[in-house]
Amino acid sequence: DAKTTQPNSMESNEEEPVHLPCNHSTISGTDYIHWYRQLPSQGPEYVIHGLTSNVNNRMASLAIAEDRKSSTLILHRATLRDAAVYYCILGLMDSNYQLIWGAGTKLIIKP
Amino acid sequence: DVKVTQSSRYLVKRTGEKVFLECVQDMDHENMFWYRQDPGLGLRLIYFSYDVKMKEKGDIPEGYSVSREKKERFSLILESASTNQTSMYLCASSLPLTGSSYNSPLHFGNGTRLTVT
Repeated sequence: DAKTTQPNSMESNEEEPVHLPCNHSTISGTDYIHWYRQLPSQGPEYVIHGLTSNVNNRMASLAIAEDRKSSTLILHRATLRDAAVYYCILGLMDSNYQLIWGAGTKLIIKP
Repeated sequence: DVKVTQSSRYLVKRTGEKVFLECVQDMDHENMFWYRQDPGLGLRLIYFSYDVKMKEKGDIPEGYSVSREKKERFSLILESASTNQTSMYLCASSLPLTGSSYNSPLHFGNGTRLTVT
């Protein structure tokens, strides 16, 4: 089964970059990698997604390994508002509606 | 911005009661989803709907049913609530996950925390 593995938690200092890793060794060639985050007492919100190439948007960057078995979400300058649970998710191409969610990484930002 | 509104933030029900969780979205999205979220298990898909009156089972549909009579509204029904259905329930909506909008993001509500006693 397609699955992602993330550290349970990570700590980072405010205003420093944060690199959140994700392993997805069973990814197939057409599966997309999605990242969502969930702030306390809120539903998850979309962060970024990619297939093979690195991707950037206003929230973050996504670096995808050449063999696609791992990826890293990069927050360039973390703020206290970035404290959340970050989910690395596979979007299965062979099923229109399947996002396979892992348990996520709880990111703690220290002032 | 897309807004997905879940009718209740907290709900306490008794075992055996019929429970309705309501979700409304304001962006004319075709797709709507119900997930439950439990510690250590991540999000698990209960049901989804890709059009009015259409529904598909997700990973854990047992004990649940859904209704989509209008495009903007998707209801989750617990026919006879049980204590193992105590959980956080999350509703989401999106554009169709096909063609050019295949990777359209899901927009979530803030959840309903249901406790069944």
